[in-house]
Amino acid sequence: GNSVTQMEGPVTLSEEAFLTINCTYTATGYPSLFWYVQYPGEGLQLLLKATKADDKGSNKGFEATYRKETTSFHLEKGSVQVSDSAVYFCALSYSGGGADGLTFGKGTHLIIQP
Amino acid sequence: DSGVTQTPKHLITATGQRVTLRCSPRSGDLSVYWYQQSLDQGLQFLIQYYNGEERAKGNILERFSAQQFPDLHSELNLSSLELGDSALYFCASSPGDRISYGYTFGSGTRLTVV
Repeated sequence: GNSVTQMEGPVTLSEEAFLTINCTYTATGYPSLFWYVQYPGEGLQLLLKATKADDKGSNKGFEATYRKETTSFHLEKGSVQVSDSAVYFCALSYSGGGADGLTFGKGTHLIIQP
Repeated sequence: DSGVTQTPKHLITATGQRVTLRCSPRSGDLSVYWYQQSLDQGLQFLIQYYNGEERAKGNILERFSAQQFPDLHSELNLSSLELGDSALYFCASSPGDRISYGYTFGSGTRLTVV
């Protein structure tokens, strides 16, 4: 079946450090890939997405490239801020009978220290 | 405010009881999705409704059921509750029945079974 594996953390970085959160997936066919972010006490928010191989999703300084050959969708940011502290989820979509659900990784807790 | 409203925000109940969680989708969205978030299982897709009809089922227990009403709000019914059902339950909505249309999550209902 479909699955997503990501580093669980917590990942602790200093402000302005470079961020990479690894995400790999197992899926049949050609899923779409997503990164969601969850701030404390809130629901998930879509951060970025990519729908086909070699697509790059980007938003708010975050980037991720859909690598079919390595089945990966690693999240990167060049210079993190304290406000980026949150839990980040990698996810893929699958279709069954024309409907879509998301398969999530377990989430990576990111802590940015000033 | 994401536009997806979930009530109640918190719920504490005893084992063996039944509860109903409610979700009002974002205006204009026809699909509602339910997810369960727990520490051990992570985020799991439960079920999707589109315009009143069930579209996809994920890891939903037989003790759980859902429906979507003509006004498009949805209810998730959890019965014969067990301690292990304690979790955050999220609702998400989207305009169509495909993930490509985009998901918006509510801020969740935290269920505690004692």
